[in-house]
Amino acid sequence: QVQLVESGGGVVQPGGSLRLSCAASGFTFSNYGLHWVRQAPGKGLEWVAYIRSDGSNKFYADSVKGRFTISRDNSENTLYLQMNNLRPEDTAVYFCAQDASGLGYFDYWGQGTLVTVSS
Amino acid sequence: EIVLTQSPDTLSLSPGERATLSCRASQSVSSYLAWYQQKPGQTPRLLIYDASNRATGIPARFSGSGSGTDFTLTISSLEPEDFAVYYCQQRSNWPQTFGQGTKLEIK
Repeated sequence: QVQLVESGGGVVQPGGSLRLSCAASGFTFSNYGLHWVRQAPGKGLEWVAYIRSDGSNKFYADSVKGRFTISRDNSENTLYLQMNNLRPEDTAVYFCAQDASGLGYFDYWGQGTLVTVSS
Repeated sequence: EIVLTQSPDTLSLSPGERATLSCRASQSVSSYLAWYQQKPGQTPRLLIYDASNRATGIPARFSGSGSGTDFTLTISSLEPEDFAVYYCQQRSNWPQTFGQGTKLEIK
């Protein structure tokens, strides 16, 4: 079955950097687009970034554009999110999600990793 | 950016009642809209995609309708496990966006 396991979250000071990873299994990783979605404590869902199956296309939310970079290693079945110049408003649980149908929706989700930006 | 506005923010109903949740888009998203359910401490679950198609394993009491800018999620007869937060999401334009959520609570 599809498994997505995020890691790399933690506490970081404003202006700092963090790299999140999402290890995938149970499907042919290189065939599917993947997303990062975040949820601030007690708040709603916010889409963050998307990468196409072959890494050729990437899209970002305006709130993270220029600061976050999505990437993937299809040989390691791993998705990444490099987060630079972090702000307190980036504090959230970060989920990776698979677009299993190819329709642009989030069919499978990981359990998330918490990022806290605080001094 | 397309803004999705859900209403109401909170809906208080009893088991067995019918629930109607609304999602309005700031511009047309055609039928490229999904609904998700999220229970406390859990990850979101895809319920409906492309406005009216139930995802795999979703009970028939859940149905979606609408196109363009106005969409509805209907739960025909509420079960105790249906009380949760529901989000709509559009994939018509980048950036993809979510609505702010509707909390369905037990009356």
